Amino acid sequence: SQQGEEDPQALSIQEGENATMNCSYKTSINNLQWYRQNSGRGLVHLILIRSNEREKHSGRLRVTLDTSKKSSSLLITASRAADTASYFCATDALTGGGNKLTFGTGTQLKVEL
Amino acid sequence: GAGVSQSPSNKVTEKGKDVELRCDPISGHTALYWYRQSLGQGLEFLIYFQGNSAPDKSGLPSDRFSAERTGGSVSTLTIQRTQQEDSAVYLCASSLPGQGRYYGYTFGSGTRLTVV
Repeated sequence: SQQGEEDPQALSIQEGENATMNCSYKTSINNLQWYRQNSGRGLVHLILIRSNEREKHSGRLRVTLDTSKKSSSLLITASRAADTASYFCATDALTGGGNKLTFGTGTQLKVEL
Repeated sequence: GAGVSQSPSNKVTEKGKDVELRCDPISGHTALYWYRQSLGQGLEFLIYFQGNSAPDKSGLPSDRFSAERTGGSVSTLTIQRTQQEDSAVYLCASSLPGQGRYYGYTFGSGTRLTVV
């Protein structure tokens, strides 16, 4: 079963606007990662935030983590049509997860010109 | 290789036939993972290899599914007596040992399996 749940399931915005996606998870984690998937194929690693971090930036991406609420958000600023993709959060469980990441259900982002 | 390579990229098979899906990880990546993604869904973990051994097979959905890895490199996922519910994109990922959980995985482009 999927640990993470992304919200919203789908998001449509205009180019230049900001896009915010949220992820909730259930167990204690070591870290949380965000991935991007184009056209239902391979995923690309975007950014990782550790459990002792609250916010992290990479280019136009900003990730926040609230371990007390077991939630994370991914903000894409000044969106572009090329940002159109599905975005997934993935968690590394603190215990019992083995060496695997558990992925959420994803947010489909569409950026329109 | 420069990236994770999966073959075939697309496979259409008849119900009841066996299929083999191949993953060639990045050179030196001893950790290898198989995931399955059904249409519009998230990723479902299938199996994890460290070298040639599979310490975590907990995600394999039935005994029709098996995987092996030889030489600490190429892995093959085999589905026997395929069923229509096996239709999905099968994704392979690799990482340096113990590093995937800290630095992320590198994914292949996947094999889209369609069982008709």
